[in-house]
Amino acid sequence: QSVLTQPPSVSGAPGQRVTISCTGSSSNIGAGYDVHWYQQLPGTAPKLLIYGNSNRPSGVPDRFSGSKSGTSASLAITGLQAEDEADYYCQSYDSSLSGSRVFGTGTKVTVL
Amino acid sequence: EVQLVESGGGLVQPGGSLRLSCAASGFTFSSYEMNWVRQAPGKGLEWVSYISSSGSTIYYADSVKGRFTISRDNAKNSLYLQMNSLRAEDTAVYYCARDGRGAVAGTFDYWGQGTLVTVSS
Repeated sequence: QSVLTQPPSVSGAPGQRVTISCTGSSSNIGAGYDVHWYQQLPGTAPKLLIYGNSNRPSGVPDRFSGSKSGTSASLAITGLQAEDEADYYCQSYDSSLSGSRVFGTGTKVTVL
Repeated sequence: EVQLVESGGGLVQPGGSLRLSCAASGFTFSSYEMNWVRQAPGKGLEWVSYISSSGSTIYYADSVKGRFTISRDNAKNSLYLQMNSLRAEDTAVYYCARDGRGAVAGTFDYWGQGTLVTVSS
């Protein structure tokens, strides 16, 4: 069971803006640990999408943005495109767990 | 180009063992910490194990502690996962993932394509 909670699914029409929340607690996001986001296209391995709460690796479109506040973080996709249909996972560090790496429950983004 | 290529997956009976390998190329393997992450069919990602660059520090998820052993051979640019006492709930795609450094510290910045482990009688 994950300690980071995400909505199971979100959807939007092409061009719209969608957001995905990642809710944690005082032992992970609320403790000040960074949140990172991954995109997993169907049948492929996850890919790093956002690091350090709000930074994009080179090659990631600026349609993707991240933020963090308190015990939660969010991923926003603006100008939604068909190719954005994928699963998205947040990831952080949790001081209460052995090894400490934790993923969110995952969110399926559907482009209508 | 960074490449991580897993191998060793397959069908194994409950209680059996399997050894996964991950061949790394395109970077100085001995300088990077490495991880195994798994994904059960239709489910989310679960971190499994971490090993430091020298192999001196190792962590496991509680779900595999005492059954799985992570190791590495820096001379062969390879990462391993020895899985014993396998259970049905260990059925998953197992990914080898590199630990990010510098600005991407704390992330899994590169992933392999994964290898499927199926535990079933």
